[in-house]
Amino acid sequence: DVKVTQSSRYLVKRTGEKVFLECVQDMDHENMFWYRQDPGLGLRLIYFSYDVKMKEKGDIPEGYSVSREKKERFSLILESASTNQTSMYLCASSSDNSPLHFGNGTRLTVT
Amino acid sequence: GQNIDQPTEMTATEGAIVQINCTYQTSGFNGLFWYQQHAGEAPTFLSYNVLDGLEEKGRFSSFLSRSKGYSYLLLKELQMKDSASYLCAAFSGGYQKVTFGTGTKLQVIP
Repeated sequence: DVKVTQSSRYLVKRTGEKVFLECVQDMDHENMFWYRQDPGLGLRLIYFSYDVKMKEKGDIPEGYSVSREKKERFSLILESASTNQTSMYLCASSSDNSPLHFGNGTRLTVT
Repeated sequence: GQNIDQPTEMTATEGAIVQINCTYQTSGFNGLFWYQQHAGEAPTFLSYNVLDGLEEKGRFSSFLSRSKGYSYLLLKELQMKDSASYLCAAFSGGYQKVTFGTGTKLQVIP
């Protein structure tokens, strides 16, 4: 079974803090994704990566950056957290033309 | 651009059949996924359509018409545990971008 692990289930940070959300997958997948999910807006793609050190902007990249130094790990970085980044963050991985497998999510609250 | 539409909410009776529709407009369309998401949990994969036609998996079936930009998920013999959100997602482009609709919240009632 594919396992996608997100480092924290719940996180509370202050406005202006730098925040790292970590995601690790164990299936040697090429593709990794970061989404945020908000009521009424669904899952929105922030960034994705199709290979080590490669990244592509999704639909809402502003205020975020990512890092993929190793194939199994994809990190989402909030350089200076703001209250409008309070959300559920979901990481996913896939191999080409196959379904996404999701982690359990990180509920981030920025106060 | 990408645009995926599905109804916001639906209600259906236990034991019945329900069809959840999804229309999409995406450039470089490659295929379509359906996911189930229970409240507070991560989405789980249900089905995947690349070619036109029906894919059947037990009580769940999914249909795709590429020419019409249309898909549906069919759930048969509804059970109370099927109460969840159902997400339609299109994947496109050379780099496997996957875009989700806002989801359809299905309530199954006795």
